Amino acid sequence: TQLLEQSPQFLSIQEGENLTVYCNSSSVFSSLQWYRQEPGEGPVLLVTVVTGGEVKKLKRLTFQFGDARKDSSLHITAAQPGDTGLYLCAGVPPRVNYGGATNKLIFGTGTLLAVQP
Amino acid sequence: IAGITQAPTSQILAAGRRMTLRCTQDMRHNAMYWYRQDLGLGLRLIHYSNTAGTTGKGEVPDGYSVSRANTDDFPLTLASAVPSQTSVYFCASRETGSTGELFFGEGSRLTVL
Repeated sequence: TQLLEQSPQFLSIQEGENLTVYCNSSSVFSSLQWYRQEPGEGPVLLVTVVTGGEVKKLKRLTFQFGDARKDSSLHITAAQPGDTGLYLCAGVPPRVNYGGATNKLIFGTGTLLAVQP
Repeated sequence: IAGITQAPTSQILAAGRRMTLRCTQDMRHNAMYWYRQDLGLGLRLIHYSNTAGTTGKGEVPDGYSVSRANTDDFPLTLASAVPSQTSVYFCASRETGSTGELFFGEGSRLTVL
């Protein structure tokens, strides 16, 4: 079973601080996605990273895919209260591991972020 | 607004009762999924369907069944609910063969007493 471990599990910071969330696995993924989930809603896609070493920026959020495609990080600069939510990483297993059925995302355990005004 | 609709939003259920969670999408996506979300465990796949008429088991299928009679609907049934099935259930969809975005419903919170 492929697992994605996220750390930290919980994070409470003040507005304006920087933070990094990690998503780690011992397995290789063909791509990795990051979702944000707000209370009472379903997760919403933030970004997909595909190439090892790839870096993508979304305003104050920077996403990086590890060179070996086993891990990823999300860095938030100058966090705002609007960034509060549950952040989930999700990996797409390589096609060879599932005999072609690569439509099953593996979700991480989640990081609950609270940004205090 | 296009998307996924789940019903009910919330339900309290006595153990042993049968319950069906409904999921309807209007995006004409071929692939649909049911996840349960529990604190510290993330989202775990219960069942999925790559296209109408086909279904498959996910990571935690025991105690649950699904059907996919058409493209739009993907109901999840608990034949005889148990307290360990207390959770928030999310339905999701995306294009078959795509590794792109999963679109989620707003969830159904189920409490089994």
